[in-house]
Amino acid sequence: AQKITQTQPGMFVQEKEAVTLDCTYDTSDPSYGLFWYKQPSSGEMIFLIYQGSYDQQNATEGRYSLNFQKARKSANLVISASQLGDSAMYFCAMREAPGGDYKLSFGAGTTVTVRA
Amino acid sequence: NAGVTQTPKFQVLKTGQSMTLQCAQDMNHNSMYWYRQDPGMGLRLIYYSASEGTTDKGEVPNGYNVSRLNKREFSLRLESAAPSQTSVYFCASSEVPGQSTDTQYFGPGTRLTVL
Repeated sequence: AQKITQTQPGMFVQEKEAVTLDCTYDTSDPSYGLFWYKQPSSGEMIFLIYQGSYDQQNATEGRYSLNFQKARKSANLVISASQLGDSAMYFCAMREAPGGDYKLSFGAGTTVTVRA
Repeated sequence: NAGVTQTPKFQVLKTGQSMTLQCAQDMNHNSMYWYRQDPGMGLRLIYYSASEGTTDKGEVPNGYNVSRLNKREFSLRLESAAPSQTSVYFCASSEVPGQSTDTQYFGPGTRLTVL
């Protein structure tokens, strides 16, 4: 079964507007971590933001924030005040409880294109 | 501070040829990983090394071998390349394995084409 689902293959957003990227996950472990990575056209994977399953507050990191709804098993990324440099592929990933196989389970990604 | 570095950046092989992808990290991390990324997909784990001296299979290990040369370096070897191994390969490292909070940091990737 797919552990991470990103249902939006591609999105367009106007510069300076906010955009929300959807991510739902599937796990039965009580302890897990959720990560978002950015992959620009140059190809590298850039870590953006982390949310722990026990965190009481939504994670924020500059213009990035995570809308974490534990009961719905969703961890949507919100990019505020979009910039042209935000055009990239964005991946949601999950890491499950200690003792697992240490891997990150990745979604298929969402391509964001910021329009001037 | 270079982070995670990978060599080469690009490589073209013929079917049956062998090659080694090199990865090094300067963050004093304990764990290192090799992933592959195929078009339209997220990354899949090939092998990982939770600590120096240990290696384990990930999700898609067939056709690959790894060596954790020391704490800094983790190499991936293709003994007999196949067209199905055409992919982008990423190396990653993290500080504390076995915890869900552990963040993995990625290298720039190696784009491999097997003809």
